[in-house]
Amino acid sequence: DAGITQSPRHKVTETGTPVTLRCHQTENHRYMYWYRQDPGHGLRLIHYSYGVKDTDKGEVSDGYSVSRSKTEDFLLTLESATSSQTSVYFCAISETMSGTVDGYTFGSGTRLTVV
Amino acid sequence: GQQVMQIPQYQHVQEGEDFTTYCNSSTTLSNIQWYKQRPGGHPVFLIQLVKSGEVKKQKRLTFQFGEAKKNSSLHITATQTTDVGTYFCAGGIQGAQKLVFGQGTRLTINP
Repeated sequence: DAGITQSPRHKVTETGTPVTLRCHQTENHRYMYWYRQDPGHGLRLIHYSYGVKDTDKGEVSDGYSVSRSKTEDFLLTLESATSSQTSVYFCAISETMSGTVDGYTFGSGTRLTVV
Repeated sequence: GQQVMQIPQYQHVQEGEDFTTYCNSSTTLSNIQWYKQRPGGHPVFLIQLVKSGEVKKQKRLTFQFGEAKKNSSLHITATQTTDVGTYFCAGGIQGAQKLVFGQGTRLTINP
């Protein structure tokens, strides 16, 4: 969907290095989310934001931090990347937290490999 | 924590056969949403159900929300190769304003 972009699309990094993934939206939605997707686990919520500088933890937040200094940008940082963080990361946006207007809109994803 | 269970995890069918995936929650849901993710793609919102017993159709896809608002199903009639992908349900947790995703059902089709 054109209203949400993730960067980079692919990244290979070494164990122990910090990594930042970016999510940018042009929809002015209040809520933004970071998910990771792994085989057999579906989509697991890492962190989410309900406004500028307002963030909260999801179910798999250990080893990750987020920041939202502007409505349109939501950054996900792996403080010290580990091999267990090799995954596909999706950003999503919504107008309400339960997505009751038009559901969640997902970005195209970032495939991260930690070697 | 609150969980939304989805079965089966995988389903392989012959083209033309029907397909159904089921979603179950231990708690009452405020709404249920369905998403489709094509191989290599990202989840795309299909539909939302809000009312008890609600049934909605999109061409060959039929979505149902249970009377108790704790379960839902997606049924595809006469599958086509374009239906290949992973189907996720996502339940809105009442009072928590939170959406919880099921693990997904991966559908593959033999042409």
